[in-house]
Amino acid sequence: SFVLTQPPSVSVAPGQTASITCGGNNIGSKSVHWYQQKPGQAPVLVVYDDSDRPSGIPERFSGSNSGNTATLAISRVEAGDEADYYCQVWGSSSDHLWVFGGGTKLTVL
Amino acid sequence: EVQLVESGGGLVQPGGSLRLSCAASGFTVSSNYMTWVRQAPGKGLEWLSVIYNDGSTSYADSVKGRFTISRDNSKNTLYLQMNSLRAEDTAVYYCARFLGNFDYWGQGTLVTVSS
Repeated sequence: SFVLTQPPSVSVAPGQTASITCGGNNIGSKSVHWYQQKPGQAPVLVVYDDSDRPSGIPERFSGSNSGNTATLAISRVEAGDEADYYCQVWGSSSDHLWVFGGGTKLTVL
Repeated sequence: EVQLVESGGGLVQPGGSLRLSCAASGFTVSSNYMTWVRQAPGKGLEWLSVIYNDGSTSYADSVKGRFTISRDNSKNTLYLQMNSLRAEDTAVYYCARFLGNFDYWGQGTLVTVSS
């Protein structure tokens, strides 16, 4: 099955830009989606199809995808952005149709 | 407004069964791909099962043969029948609509498998 690799944690000071990576074999050929999950809450879609934002998601959230790495960037980070972030792709195999990365804990210092 | 509300979680002994429900509003379950995703305590997200708009289904290896996804079109509700439960099935179970991505999620229901 397709494997997505994320760093377990990323730390950033308020006002700075956080970059969260998602690695996978030729992931640039797939559409990548990103979800934010705060403690005790369900995941929320923040970026879809590599770089599009659902309505209601601030422009501070952006995405890119090329080669073997997709990246979620959060500019002008706020305390409220502290959460776990998961990347997700279509896995293609019959028993792993949809694959999630292991998640990255974003800490706002 | 789209809403998904899960129910049916609880404490069950190893080897036991449980049926989860996911009541949808604001859209039609039978016209969409509907999925179940779980999250073990302190762990990441794991896709489990999908029922397509044509009624066909698919499962992750980890639950194949033990879990069954279904829907009741008259109630606009999704279900997950879980049999032969194991300790490692302990998790929060989410239903989610898939429309190119998982765009709407329920709040989750906790299943604890323990003696």
